[in-house]
Amino acid sequence: DARVTQTPRHKVTEMGQEVTMRCQPILGHNTVFWYRQTMMQGLELLAYFRNRAPLDDSGMPKDRFSAEMPDATLATLKIQPSEPRDSAVYFCASGLGTSGGETQYFGPGTRLLVL
Amino acid sequence: DAKTTQPPSMDCAEGRAANLPCNHSTISGNEYVYWYRQIHSQGPQYIIHGLKNNETNEMASLIITEDRKSSTLILPHATLRDTAVYYCIVRVAGTAGGSARQLTFGSGTQLTVLP
Repeated sequence: DARVTQTPRHKVTEMGQEVTMRCQPILGHNTVFWYRQTMMQGLELLAYFRNRAPLDDSGMPKDRFSAEMPDATLATLKIQPSEPRDSAVYFCASGLGTSGGETQYFGPGTRLLVL
Repeated sequence: DAKTTQPPSMDCAEGRAANLPCNHSTISGNEYVYWYRQIHSQGPQYIIHGLKNNETNEMASLIITEDRKSSTLILPHATLRDTAVYYCIVRVAGTAGGSARQLTFGSGTQLTVLP
């Protein structure tokens, strides 16, 4: 049963520290999405990639967030420096674009708490 | 993408069918109806999607009205594990050679399956 995996599952850090979250998309999927979920804002899209190229990162605070795909099996989301308002659950999703539609499969998320 | 309207909450008795409605009166001809759900503390999970014909898979059935202005997700025999927030999303399908499309989650319907 193919699944999206994310690490770490939980992260507690202090303000100002760097945070790196990792995602392994489902093998063969060509799109990767990063979402953030908070009680106040719900699910927000931060960035997404197609064939490892960034297509849209307009939802991301550019001064502190960065997203990359070093290879087809790894996507990373970094926050440097982290702030308390970054506390949220970060989800990675992967999908396969076809003419019939694109279904996104979500990972279990990384729960981030910035103190 | 067209806007959707869902009731904020619904209850269903265990073992009975759960029928979750969604209105999407401004849907366009090339927009699909997708359903996802999010069980507490987990990532969103794809359920089903369709364009104009009714669809069925191992999880649920999707009934789309002839004018496509509304749809109903049916869980035929709800169990306690189906308690979740259910999201109805309308979006243009991505294409293999085109750009990926992000999901826009609204507030969804909190389905509570009662023992």
